[in-house]
Amino acid sequence: EVQLVESGGDLVQSGRSLRLSCEASGFTFDDFAMHWVRQAPGKGLEWVSGIGWETSSPVYADSVEGRFTISRDNTKNSLYLHLNLLRADDTALYYCAKDIFRRGATTWSVFDNWGQGTLVTVSS
Amino acid sequence: EVVLTQSPATLSLSPGERATLSCRASQSVDIYLGWYQQKPGRAPRLLVYDASHRATGVPHRFSGSGSGTDFTLTISSLEPEDFAIYYCQARKEGATFGGGTKVEVK
Repeated sequence: EVQLVESGGDLVQSGRSLRLSCEASGFTFDDFAMHWVRQAPGKGLEWVSGIGWETSSPVYADSVEGRFTISRDNTKNSLYLHLNLLRADDTALYYCAKDIFRRGATTWSVFDNWGQGTLVTVSS
Repeated sequence: EVVLTQSPATLSLSPGERATLSCRASQSVDIYLGWYQQKPGRAPRLLVYDASHRATGVPHRFSGSGSGTDFTLTISSLEPEDFAIYYCQARKEGATFGGGTKVEVK
Protein backbone atom coordinates (compact mmCIF):
# COMPACT_ATOMS: atom_id res chain seq x y z
CA GLU A 1 0.00 0.00 0.00
CA VAL A 2 1.34 3.41 -1.01
CA GLN A 3 1.77 5.81 1.90
CA LEU A 4 2.85 9.43 1.79
CA VAL A 5 3.34 11.22 5.09
CA GLU A 6 4.04 14.94 5.15
CA SER A 7 5.57 16.88 8.01
CA GLY A 8 7.15 20.23 8.76
CA GLY A 9 4.19 22.55 8.55
CA ASP A 10 4.09 25.35 11.11
CA LEU A 11 2.98 28.89 11.94
CA VAL A 12 5.69 31.28 10.75
CA GLN A 13 6.09 34.99 10.22
CA SER A 14 6.13 36.56 6.81
CA GLY A 15 9.61 36.54 5.25
CA ARG A 16 10.77 33.47 7.15
CA SER A 17 11.63 29.99 5.86
CA LEU A 18 10.35 26.47 6.37
CA ARG A 19 11.18 22.99 5.14
CA LEU A 20 8.49 20.42 4.42
CA SER A 21 9.18 16.70 4.18
CA CYS A 22 7.28 13.78 2.69
CA GLU A 23 8.21 10.23 3.59
CA ALA A 24 7.11 7.64 1.03
CA SER A 25 6.58 3.91 1.32
CA GLY A 26 4.86 1.07 -0.49
CA PHE A 27 6.34 1.69 -3.94
CA THR A 28 9.70 2.05 -5.69
CA PHE A 29 10.23 5.71 -4.86
CA ASP A 30 13.03 6.39 -7.34
CA ASP A 31 10.87 5.27 -10.27
CA PHE A 32 8.32 8.08 -9.98
CA ALA A 33 8.18 11.85 -10.30
CA MET A 34 6.87 13.53 -7.15
CA HIS A 35 5.02 16.77 -6.60
CA TRP A 36 3.73 19.29 -4.09
CA VAL A 37 0.18 20.60 -4.42
CA ARG A 38 -1.32 23.13 -2.02
CA GLN A 39 -4.79 24.19 -0.99
CA ALA A 40 -5.48 27.48 0.74
CA PRO A 41 -8.25 27.37 3.37
CA GLY A 42 -11.62 27.03 1.66
CA LYS A 43 -10.05 27.27 -1.81
CA GLY A 44 -9.18 24.97 -4.69
CA LEU A 45 -6.07 22.98 -5.55
CA GLU A 46 -2.90 24.66 -6.81
CA TRP A 47 0.08 22.71 -8.18
CA VAL A 48 3.28 24.08 -6.62
CA SER A 49 6.27 22.07 -7.79
CA GLY A 50 7.46 18.74 -9.15
CA ILE A 51 10.70 16.80 -9.49
CA GLY A 52 11.63 13.97 -11.80
CA TRP A 53 12.28 10.39 -10.72
CA GLU A 54 15.96 10.79 -11.45
CA THR A 55 16.16 13.89 -9.15
CA SER A 56 16.60 16.25 -12.06
CA SER A 57 14.14 18.50 -13.90
CA PRO A 58 12.51 20.43 -11.04
CA VAL A 59 9.59 22.56 -12.16
CA TYR A 60 7.73 25.31 -10.32
CA ALA A 61 4.54 27.30 -10.51
CA ASP A 62 5.12 30.97 -11.34
CA SER A 63 3.78 31.94 -7.91
CA VAL A 64 6.67 30.20 -6.11
CA GLU A 65 9.50 30.29 -8.68
CA GLY A 66 12.64 31.69 -7.08
CA ARG A 67 11.31 31.29 -3.51
CA PHE A 68 10.65 27.54 -3.17
CA THR A 69 13.06 24.68 -3.88
CA ILE A 70 12.04 21.08 -4.35
CA SER A 71 14.43 18.19 -3.76
CA ARG A 72 14.37 14.48 -3.07
CA ASP A 73 16.62 11.89 -1.45
CA ASN A 74 16.00 8.55 -3.12
CA THR A 75 18.15 6.77 -0.49
CA LYS A 76 15.66 7.92 2.16
CA ASN A 77 12.47 7.66 0.06
CA SER A 78 11.85 11.29 0.89
CA LEU A 79 10.67 14.43 -0.87
CA TYR A 80 11.31 17.95 0.39
CA LEU A 81 10.14 21.48 -0.23
CA HIS A 82 12.14 24.44 1.02
CA LEU A 83 9.93 27.49 1.37
CA ASN A 84 11.75 30.84 1.52
CA LEU A 85 10.52 34.42 1.71
CA LEU A 86 7.13 33.21 2.85
CA ARG A 87 4.09 35.42 2.28
CA ALA A 88 0.59 35.42 3.72
CA ASP A 89 -0.77 34.00 0.46
CA ASP A 90 1.44 30.91 0.89
CA THR A 91 -0.84 29.87 3.77
CA ALA A 92 -2.22 26.49 2.77
CA LEU A 93 -2.34 22.77 3.34
CA TYR A 94 0.58 21.32 1.39
CA TYR A 95 0.09 17.87 -0.11
CA CYS A 96 2.76 15.51 -1.38
CA ALA A 97 1.57 13.63 -4.47
CA LYS A 98 2.94 10.76 -6.57
CA ASP A 99 2.87 10.52 -10.37
CA ILE A 100 0.93 7.57 -11.79
CA PHE A 101 3.46 6.95 -14.57
CA ARG A 102 6.63 4.98 -13.88
CA ARG A 103 9.59 7.11 -15.03
CA GLY A 104 7.21 9.65 -16.50
CA ALA A 105 8.09 13.21 -17.43
CA THR A 106 7.70 15.72 -14.61
CA THR A 107 5.59 18.12 -16.65
CA TRP A 108 3.16 15.41 -17.72
CA SER A 109 2.10 13.98 -14.35
CA VAL A 110 -1.15 12.58 -13.02
CA PHE A 111 -1.42 12.37 -9.23
CA ASP A 112 -2.61 8.92 -8.18
CA ASN A 113 -1.63 8.97 -4.51
CA TRP A 114 -1.69 11.85 -2.04
CA GLY A 115 -0.64 12.35 1.54
CA GLN A 116 -2.92 13.93 4.13
CA GLY A 117 -1.10 17.25 3.97
CA THR A 118 0.86 19.50 6.32
CA LEU A 119 -0.42 22.96 7.22
CA VAL A 120 1.66 26.07 6.65
CA THR A 121 0.34 29.29 8.16
CA VAL A 122 2.13 32.55 7.43
CA SER A 123 1.35 35.53 9.64
CA SER A 124 1.90 39.02 8.30
CA GLU B 1 -0.38 28.61 -19.44
CA VAL B 2 -3.56 26.56 -19.66
CA VAL B 3 -6.57 27.89 -17.74
CA LEU B 4 -9.32 25.41 -16.84
CA THR B 5 -12.88 26.61 -16.26
CA GLN B 6 -15.30 24.24 -14.55
CA SER B 7 -19.06 24.53 -14.70
CA PRO B 8 -21.36 24.71 -13.00
CA ALA B 9 -19.80 25.90 -9.75
CA THR B 10 -22.48 24.00 -7.82
CA LEU B 11 -24.69 21.14 -8.93
CA SER B 12 -27.70 20.31 -6.75
CA LEU B 13 -29.00 16.79 -7.36
CA SER B 14 -30.68 13.90 -5.58
CA PRO B 15 -29.24 10.40 -5.06
CA GLY B 16 -29.90 8.28 -8.11
CA GLU B 17 -29.76 11.20 -10.53
CA ARG B 18 -27.19 11.64 -13.28
CA ALA B 19 -24.47 14.26 -12.79
CA THR B 20 -22.73 15.97 -15.70
CA LEU B 21 -19.71 18.14 -14.90
CA SER B 22 -17.88 20.26 -17.46
CA CYS B 23 -14.28 21.40 -17.77
CA ARG B 24 -13.17 23.76 -20.53
CA ALA B 25 -9.52 24.49 -21.34
CA SER B 26 -8.26 27.83 -22.68
CA GLN B 27 -6.20 25.94 -25.25
CA SER B 28 -6.08 22.37 -26.47
CA VAL B 29 -4.74 19.83 -23.99
CA ASP B 30 -5.36 16.93 -26.37
CA ILE B 31 -6.60 14.10 -24.12
CA TYR B 32 -4.41 15.06 -21.15
CA LEU B 33 -7.10 15.89 -18.67
CA GLY B 34 -8.05 14.15 -15.43
CA TRP B 35 -10.65 14.38 -12.68
CA TYR B 36 -10.34 14.23 -8.89
CA GLN B 37 -12.89 13.96 -6.10
CA GLN B 38 -12.35 15.66 -2.75
CA LYS B 39 -14.43 15.26 0.37
CA PRO B 40 -14.21 17.63 3.38
CA GLY B 41 -11.03 17.13 5.39
CA ARG B 42 -9.70 14.55 2.94
CA ALA B 43 -7.01 14.50 0.29
CA PRO B 44 -8.11 14.47 -3.36
CA ARG B 45 -8.73 11.11 -5.01
CA LEU B 46 -7.92 10.43 -8.65
CA LEU B 47 -10.99 9.26 -10.60
CA VAL B 48 -10.14 9.58 -14.29
CA TYR B 49 -7.00 10.44 -16.25
CA ASP B 50 -6.27 11.11 -19.91
CA ALA B 51 -9.90 12.04 -20.50
CA SER B 52 -11.47 8.60 -20.13
CA HIS B 53 -9.22 6.18 -18.22
CA ARG B 54 -10.68 5.23 -14.86
CA ALA B 55 -8.13 4.99 -12.06
CA THR B 56 -7.71 1.77 -10.10
CA GLY B 57 -10.69 0.96 -7.91
CA VAL B 58 -12.97 3.70 -9.27
CA PRO B 59 -16.58 2.55 -9.76
CA HIS B 60 -17.95 2.26 -13.29
CA ARG B 61 -20.60 4.89 -12.62
CA PHE B 62 -17.82 7.45 -13.10
CA SER B 63 -16.90 8.10 -16.74
CA GLY B 64 -14.92 10.76 -18.53
CA SER B 65 -15.05 11.99 -22.10
CA GLY B 66 -13.79 14.75 -24.35
CA SER B 67 -10.67 15.96 -26.10
CA GLY B 68 -9.08 19.24 -27.11
CA THR B 69 -10.73 21.91 -25.01
CA ASP B 70 -14.03 20.39 -23.80
CA PHE B 71 -14.30 17.59 -21.27
CA THR B 72 -17.05 15.99 -19.23
CA LEU B 73 -17.20 13.86 -16.11
CA THR B 74 -20.42 11.90 -15.82
CA ILE B 75 -21.68 10.12 -12.73
CA SER B 76 -24.42 7.86 -14.06
CA SER B 77 -26.39 7.47 -10.83
CA LEU B 78 -25.34 9.40 -7.74
CA GLU B 79 -24.60 7.43 -4.61
CA PRO B 80 -24.66 9.15 -1.19
CA GLU B 81 -20.85 9.02 -1.04
CA ASP B 82 -20.50 10.91 -4.35
CA PHE B 83 -21.51 14.27 -2.93
CA ALA B 84 -18.21 16.11 -2.91
CA ILE B 85 -16.11 18.63 -4.83
CA TYR B 86 -14.69 17.61 -8.20
CA TYR B 87 -11.61 19.14 -9.81
CA CYS B 88 -10.27 18.73 -13.33
CA GLN B 89 -6.51 18.81 -13.98
CA ALA B 90 -4.57 19.22 -17.22
CA ARG B 91 -1.15 17.60 -17.50
CA LYS B 92 0.12 19.09 -20.73
CA GLU B 93 3.51 20.74 -20.19
CA GLY B 94 2.74 21.35 -16.54
CA ALA B 95 -0.09 20.77 -14.09
CA THR B 96 -3.13 23.02 -13.83
CA PHE B 97 -6.32 22.57 -11.84
CA GLY B 98 -9.78 23.92 -12.47
CA GLY B 99 -11.70 25.81 -9.81
CA GLY B 100 -13.93 22.89 -8.88
CA THR B 101 -17.59 21.87 -9.03
CA LYS B 102 -19.43 21.11 -5.83
CA VAL B 103 -22.02 18.35 -6.12
CA GLU B 104 -24.49 18.83 -3.29
CA VAL B 105 -27.66 17.13 -2.13
CA LYS B 106 -30.78 18.78 -3.45
